[in-house]
Amino acid sequence: DAKTTQPNSMESNEEEPVHLPCNHSTISGTDYIHWYRQLPSQGPEYVIHGLTSNVNNRMASLAIAEDRKSSTLILHRATLRDAAVYYCILRDVYGGSQGNLIFGKGTKLSVKP
Amino acid sequence: DGGITQSPKYLFRKEGQNVTLSCEQNLNHDAMYWYRQDPGQGLRLIYYSQIVNDFQKGDIAEGYSVSREKKESFPLTVTSAQKNPTAFYLCASNPGSVSTEAFFGQGTRLTVV
Repeated sequence: DAKTTQPNSMESNEEEPVHLPCNHSTISGTDYIHWYRQLPSQGPEYVIHGLTSNVNNRMASLAIAEDRKSSTLILHRATLRDAAVYYCILRDVYGGSQGNLIFGKGTKLSVKP
Repeated sequence: DGGITQSPKYLFRKEGQNVTLSCEQNLNHDAMYWYRQDPGQGLRLIYYSQIVNDFQKGDIAEGYSVSREKKESFPLTVTSAQKNPTAFYLCASNPGSVSTEAFFGQGTRLTVV
C-alpha cells in the first residue's frame, strides 16, 4: 500500500494560513488523497479529498502537485478550533487494503492565540 | 439525523472478561470498520466489512471478533485473548467507494482493570 509522510507537529498563529504538507512518492494513478482530522478524545472528521486537481470546500483547500507525489492541506485562517491531528491518507480500491483508510501518525497542529 | 453511533462512551471491565462494543449506522453504508487507537498513536485497523455477512481481518485482529448480520450494525467483541485491550476504539462507515468520505463514531474508551 502506498504510504504517506507528514511532519510530526506544526505550529500556527490564530487567523493566519496554515499549510500542512504530505509526501506520497509511491502514489498510484488510482489513489485518492484524503485528509481527516482528529480532535482530542473524538473520532476523526473528514476534511477534504482529491485525485488530481486542486479542491476547495468550506473547511479547507487541497493543493496536489502536478506529479501527485505530494499534496498540501491549506487552512486559510486558522482558529483555535483547528488544533487537531491531521491525517493524510491514500485510498485505492485496487490495492491490497481494498480502499481501507490506513492511518499514519499524522501532524499535530497547535494554534496559538 | 444520519450518523454513526458507538456505545457506550466509556467501558470498564475486569481482566479475563469478554466485552462487546456497539456500532450502529443509519447512513445505509455498505462498508464498516473498527479501529484501535493507543495514546499518541494513529489508528490501527482491527476488522472491516464491505458487505453484510462478510468481514475481513485488518492489521491487528488477534483477540477480537466481529459480526455483520445487519447492514446497520457491526459489533466488536474484545475477547480475553486480547493481551492489552485497554484502548480507544473507533468505528467508521463508508458507502464503499474510495472517492467518498468516511464517517466515524465518537469512540468507546475501554479500560480493563
